[in-house]
Amino acid sequence: EPEVTQTPSHQVTQMGQEVILRCVPISNHLYFYWYRQILGQKVEFLVSFYNNEISEKSEIFDDQFSVERPDGSNFTLKIRSTKLEDSAMYFCASGDQIDWTSLGYEQYFGPGTRLTVT
Amino acid sequence: RKEVEQDPGPFNVPEGATVAFNCTYSNSASQSFFWYRQDCRKEPKLLMSVYSSGNEDGRFTAQLNRASQYISLLIRDSKLSDSATYLCVVDPDDKIIFGKGTRLHILP
Repeated sequence: EPEVTQTPSHQVTQMGQEVILRCVPISNHLYFYWYRQILGQKVEFLVSFYNNEISEKSEIFDDQFSVERPDGSNFTLKIRSTKLEDSAMYFCASGDQIDWTSLGYEQYFGPGTRLTVT
Repeated sequence: RKEVEQDPGPFNVPEGATVAFNCTYSNSASQSFFWYRQDCRKEPKLLMSVYSSGNEDGRFTAQLNRASQYISLLIRDSKLSDSATYLCVVDPDDKIIFGKGTRLHILP
């Protein structure tokens, strides 16, 4: 069964450093997402990406965040200057439209990257 | 009113019992609804999409009530492996919103 993969599984970085989190979505999916989940809290939407551009982003996704699909398989999230409060689990997801009549996309999540900012 | 609201639980339910969760949402323009499950420190896994007419997948039944703005999930004949946190997801205008989840413990 195809799955979303993410690397690394755990990243430790110092405050102010840049990090790049990597994801390989399911190959025939066209919609890509990043989420974060701070320990003990709910999953929060960061950004959605379709057709090589951001289609929607949340208030959390400010100028320190960026996403890229550098080639046909990878999807990356860059955090430019990490803060302590960026410590969280970051999930990538890829999605496929449910059917022609639906506006929704069933999303499949990767196992996540645990980011620890010290 | 919170965008997506769920009873956090925990629901402690004996194996074999039927359990139901509700989730309310505030944006009446929401078009897409889903249930995910999340095991401790793992990624959310899609359980089922929720269609307007309601849908069933084995022991799981999902319903949507647009008038009252809630969706429900019913689990019949619960198994120990159903123990998890169940996340309600609402998708208004592509800005996906997760509920905080309802914790379910199935007791042997």
